[in-house]
Amino acid sequence: DAGVTQSPTHLIKTRGQHVTLRCSPISGHKSVSWYQQVLGQGPQFIFQYYEKEERGRGNFPDRFSARQFPNYSSELNVNALLLGDSALYLCASSSEGGMSYEQYFGPGTRLTVT
Amino acid sequence: QQQVKQSPQSLIVQKGGISIINCAYENTAFDYFPWYQQFPGKGPALLIAIRPDVSEKKEGRFTISFNKSAKQFSLHIMDSQPGDSATYFCAARRSGSARQLTFGSGTQLTVLP
Repeated sequence: DAGVTQSPTHLIKTRGQHVTLRCSPISGHKSVSWYQQVLGQGPQFIFQYYEKEERGRGNFPDRFSARQFPNYSSELNVNALLLGDSALYLCASSSEGGMSYEQYFGPGTRLTVT
Repeated sequence: QQQVKQSPQSLIVQKGGISIINCAYENTAFDYFPWYQQFPGKGPALLIAIRPDVSEKKEGRFTISFNKSAKQFSLHIMDSQPGDSATYFCAARRSGSARQLTFGSGTQLTVLP
């Protein structure tokens, strides 16, 4: 079975530009979460979506936005990029209902802002 | 308090030894505690997880010990192998509808051959 997939793998952008990152969850998973991992730190929660609705939002500025599509894939958008946005952006999927708590991460998108 | 504090920052263990990583939390609303393993350039991989109604969980060479009263939990890696060399993150999830995880700062484990 395919795991969580993310695209692109790497991305280099200039300050002030906009970026869109994409994620496809594990088949059957309806929830997608986005995390930012700065080098040398643990992942920080950005958003969680379930059934196309935002379920949670972390402490990130409004330059960050996301959405989920009917097929449960998701996009993370970041506007007006800053140097500090350089990080590994991780997508995690999980199933809903019952006692399922596990989140499974994709390989991430490495964003470099110059 | 949403923080999860992890120690040590780095750990060096001989092959065959026991690796122990500790985490502590403040928020009693946390109800799920996973450990993730991350290799350079890869996403975190779920290793093992525990709920607070259990004091210990073992899967192969990996064991989580959980102390609810002390609000601490730890990962023990028995018979550590060079292939276990990676960064390990503890995490915690707050009860409720959101699935957000709060991560520790990570422990870089090196297992010497």
